[in-house]
Amino acid sequence: QVQLKETGPGLVQPTQTLSITCTVSGFSLTSYYMQWVRQTPGKGLEWMGFIRSGGSTEYNSEFKSRLSISRDTSKNQVFLKMNSLKTEDTGVYYCARDVGMGAPVMDAWGQGASVTVSS
Amino acid sequence: DVVLTQTLVAQPVRLGDQASISCRSSQSLVHSDGHTYLEWYLQKPGQSPQLLIYEVSNRFSGVPDRFSGSGSGSDFTLKISRVEPEDLGVYYCFEGTHDPFTFGSGTKLEIK
Repeated sequence: QVQLKETGPGLVQPTQTLSITCTVSGFSLTSYYMQWVRQTPGKGLEWMGFIRSGGSTEYNSEFKSRLSISRDTSKNQVFLKMNSLKTEDTGVYYCARDVGMGAPVMDAWGQGASVTVSS
Repeated sequence: DVVLTQTLVAQPVRLGDQASISCRSSQSLVHSDGHTYLEWYLQKPGQSPQLLIYEVSNRFSGVPDRFSGSGSGSDFTLKISRVEPEDLGVYYCFEGTHDPFTFGSGTKLEIK
């Protein structure tokens, strides 16, 4: 059974760094791309970036300078790190499995990690 | 960046009726490889988005056949032939043709 679960800090102060872990089960990270999508009150759903099955990454230029995606295949975990947080980064952050059909096709999603950026 | 335009709220429908949701792109979504990477997702209340349709008209595994996608170029439609209570939620189109990939703002399906 395919499962994804995001865990994050809940509350982050402005200018600080956000770290979220996506723990997966039921499939191998070396066989699928993994996407990150966020949902904010201001902009709705936004594609953030992905890590390929081989470990290379691609980022939305909107976030490129402050976003990092990595993984630990031995722990079945994918990591999102984003620095210089602002209040408008408040939202829900999702990891999603990508079945890899030439473009992001996200067939399984985590329940999301809710993040509030506030002092 | 590509802008996907969706109506905020669909025309209210009765259960059992057909619903139609549109998505218009600011650019053609035909990729240089010849494919059109337009997808539809449904976000039910309190849940994560779920994949319904990929590449315009391909139903994802397990999606009921009352859901169908159509369109080409920059104009796309999702049809639900016989709306059921579990179809309520917000429907999003997503394009995977032009980087950065983008979502539409969503269309809420309401029952009359």
